[in-house]
Amino acid sequence: GAGVSQSPRYKVAKRGQDVALRCDPISGHVSLFWYQQALGQGPEFLTYFQNEAQLDKSGLPSDRFFAERPEGSVSTLKIQRTQQEDSAVYLCASSRQGAQGANVLTFGAGSRLTVL
Amino acid sequence: DAKTTQPPSMDCAEGRAANLPCNHSTISGNEYVYWYRQIHSQGPQYIIHGLKNNETNEMASLIITEDRKSSTLILPHATLRDTAVYYCIVTAQGAQKLVFGQGTRLTINP
Repeated sequence: GAGVSQSPRYKVAKRGQDVALRCDPISGHVSLFWYQQALGQGPEFLTYFQNEAQLDKSGLPSDRFFAERPEGSVSTLKIQRTQQEDSAVYLCASSRQGAQGANVLTFGAGSRLTVL
Repeated sequence: DAKTTQPPSMDCAEGRAANLPCNHSTISGNEYVYWYRQIHSQGPQYIIHGLKNNETNEMASLIITEDRKSSTLILPHATLRDTAVYYCIVTAQGAQKLVFGQGTRLTINP
C-alpha cells in the first residue's frame, strides 16, 4: 500500500485481557518503529526493528509488552494482562534504510487502545 | 531530557505566515533539526529537516540560526488544514529513534 496501515483502529479491552496490534509498513521499508502516545502527550518510543531484528526495545514499559516482526515486514505489538495505564494510541512508523532516510518516518494513523 | 524547547501554543490567521520557533541550545555538531506535525486523530507527518543551511520544500521553510541554537519553521500561507501540533526534534542523522517533546499546538483562525 501507499502508507503504513494499522489495525484495529480502535480496541476496547477489559483489564487483564491480552491484545495484539498489527502494523503493515510501507513495502521495502527496512526500519519499523512502535510509539505509545498518551492523551495530550507527544509520542514516546517503544521499540525499533531493522528487518526482523529488534535492535532497541528500551522503551517497552514492562515485560507485558512484546513486539515481533518475524519476516521483516508486518509487525505485531502484543500487550499481555492489560492495565488501565496501557490506554493510549499506539503508533507504528516505517522508514527507508540509509542515513538520509533513516529519520524520515512515515506513521500510521494509530491504534487507540482503551482498557476498562 | 528534552533537547528542544517550544511554546505550548500559538495562533495564526488564515493566509498569513505561521512562524514556529524552537530552541535547541545544546545541539551537537552532528545533530539535525527535524520538524513533524500531527493533525488531530492522525499519526505524525514529516515536514522538513536541516543541519545548518536553510531548507525549503513544498510544505515549509526551515530557518536555522548561524550558531544553530535555534530554528524557525515557516508555513508561508497558513490554511485551516495546518492546524496541528508541531514537533521540533533534534537528533543525529541515522539515529534509530526520534524523541518527541510536547510540541506547539498551532491553531489557524479563519
